[in-house]
Amino acid sequence: DTAVSQTPKYLVTQMGNDKSIKCEQNLGHDTMYWYKQDSKKFLKIMFSYNNKELIINETVPNRFSPKSPDKAHLNLHINSLELGDSAVYFCASSQVLNTEAFFGQGTRLTVV
Amino acid sequence: AQSVTQLGSHVSVSEGALVLLRCNYSSSVPPYLFWYVQYPNQGLQLLLKYTSAATLVKGINGFEAEFKKSETSFHLTKPSAHMSDAAEYFCAVNPGVIGGTSYGKLTFGQGTILTVHP
Repeated sequence: DTAVSQTPKYLVTQMGNDKSIKCEQNLGHDTMYWYKQDSKKFLKIMFSYNNKELIINETVPNRFSPKSPDKAHLNLHINSLELGDSAVYFCASSQVLNTEAFFGQGTRLTVV
Repeated sequence: AQSVTQLGSHVSVSEGALVLLRCNYSSSVPPYLFWYVQYPNQGLQLLLKYTSAATLVKGINGFEAEFKKSETSFHLTKPSAHMSDAAEYFCAVNPGVIGGTSYGKLTFGQGTILTVHP
């Protein structure tokens, strides 16, 4: 019974395309996040949502737009994909803002 | 601003030997601290957390970490390494509440790859 699930697991696409990554959590948590892990395995937060409200937007380009239709879902839409967007994107959730985060399996995005 | 430094990007130990992964943090307020483990092509799994209770924290798989405020450290240890411990380990800090505002932002260290030799 997966706690935080992301789809797809792998995504290969061409530059300039628009793509979405979906995330769902069944933990009943109030807060959800998107993190980016680059090729050197460095993890950095992109967004956090608390009760569907955007809390953190960590200087991410406007081409990235998160959408939270309800507390259990946080999707990430990316417009006009660039080579530099290639990375692993992790969705996570936590009970409230300061407790431990539970991570999904990641989506490996490759832009060619 | 918060930051985390993990000393040593690679640590290699023999099976049965002590594992010590180092983490130092900087935070303007008493932080929450975490260790996560990442196996190849998988997500991050929480090993343990420090949230201002006991300074010696026990986690899963026999790992533990000690919060030392004077040294701003949160090193991860395991008395006896097992082959299955081979993975990448990340230390992370969450600043908690600053100025009445609660932040959920985890700041991660660069990661330490643990290799376990037979």
